[in-house]
Amino acid sequence: DTVLTQSPALAVSPGERVTISCRASESVSTLMHWYQQKPGQQPTLLIYLASNLESGVPARFSGSGSGTDFTLTIDPVEADDTATYYCQQSWNDPPTFGGGTKLELK
Amino acid sequence: EVQLVESGGGLVQPGRSMKLSCAASGFTFNNYDMAWVCQAPKKGLEWVATISYDGSSTYYRDSVKGRFTISRDNAKSTLYLQMDSLRSEDTATYYCARHNYGSYLYWGQGVMVTVSS
Repeated sequence: DTVLTQSPALAVSPGERVTISCRASESVSTLMHWYQQKPGQQPTLLIYLASNLESGVPARFSGSGSGTDFTLTIDPVEADDTATYYCQQSWNDPPTFGGGTKLELK
Repeated sequence: EVQLVESGGGLVQPGRSMKLSCAASGFTFNNYDMAWVCQAPKKGLEWVATISYDGSSTYYRDSVKGRFTISRDNAKSTLYLQMDSLRSEDTATYYCARHNYGSYLYWGQGVMVTVSS
């Protein structure tokens, strides 16, 4: 299975720029997607196909990357962005998720 | 408005069965592949199974092959997950989700399944 590796946690101050990385154990082309999950809630899709912003998602969120290295950027970070962020690939079977990056605001 | 509403979870003993349902509304159900994704307590997300828009193809993660069955009733706009021979490691919140370019665009609120004696 394709393993997606994310940093476990990040802490940033409101107004700063934050990048959340996701590294794949093998190429996933651009079939990488990003989700936000707040405690007690279901995940919500932020970015699909590496860089496409899902409708209704603030333009503060952006995605980039291809192959094995991907990044989710939030600029500027707001207090409401406190959540866990997951990457997910759909290029290789089975589809897999990263372990999640917990974003905390200072 | 797209809605996915899961039901059927609860406490079940190891080795027993449970069937989850997901009622869909707000979109043309039979146009979309659907999936189940689970999340063990305080853990990350794991894909469980996918079914094609017409039910003709199904896919499973290795750990549930032969034990879980995904199905759908397009006339009722409902997705199902039949879970047999349940194990303690199947304990999780199960979400139904609608596929979108390989991602999962819409998610239900989730239903908790606890496998314990």
